[in-house]
Amino acid sequence: QKEVEQNSGPLSVPEGAIASLNCTYSDRVSQSFFWYRQYSGKSPELIMSIYSNGDKEDGRFTAQLNKASQYVSLLIRDSQPSDSATYLCAVTKAAGNKLTFGGGTRVLVKP
Amino acid sequence: DVKVTQSSRYLVKRTGEKVFLECVQDMDHENMFWYRQDPGLGLRLIYFSYDVKMKEKGDIPEGYSVSREKKERFSLILESASTNQTSMYLCASSPGTVLYEQYFGPGTRLTVT
Repeated sequence: QKEVEQNSGPLSVPEGAIASLNCTYSDRVSQSFFWYRQYSGKSPELIMSIYSNGDKEDGRFTAQLNKASQYVSLLIRDSQPSDSATYLCAVTKAAGNKLTFGGGTRVLVKP
Repeated sequence: DVKVTQSSRYLVKRTGEKVFLECVQDMDHENMFWYRQDPGLGLRLIYFSYDVKMKEKGDIPEGYSVSREKKERFSLILESASTNQTSMYLCASSPGTVLYEQYFGPGTRLTVT
């Protein structure tokens, strides 16, 4: 079992709709959770971080964390073609000294 | 804004050559990292460093070494390049003693022929 798992996609979403991305992790002591966006040929760019259970909103993005179920999700509201990218989930442990990344979910927003 | 720069965007080297990849950050971050990214395998940590002259192995250190002589600079060294080291190499940095956000450089696409 991979430490951090994501559906590779592609997740196809009509413009203006909500894109919902999921990520599960295997280590219960994981404490910090991040979502990165990576455009083709570019490096990852941090878009959200979340550390406690519940929702965290930033503009059109909402991160949701459920430590009991060991999953973290990302919602993209009012999806735009510019949101088309690969989204990487990353997790660090309590005594954390490194991030572990999921394989990424490719999102395609169609006009 | 945090700026992480890498010495080359594209690099082509021959098998057996010694290869140096340089990374510089301008935000006085304590932590620096080297990853490689391959299709289907995702981002994998090679080495990281919490402080000057300090290094720790990541998940795939074999065939690589690193050097951190100054706080802002972290170098990745391929002692004898092999074709299976053809990859995208990404450097990142983060502040503080507890890992929070990591900021990535633009990447170096290395081809070993």
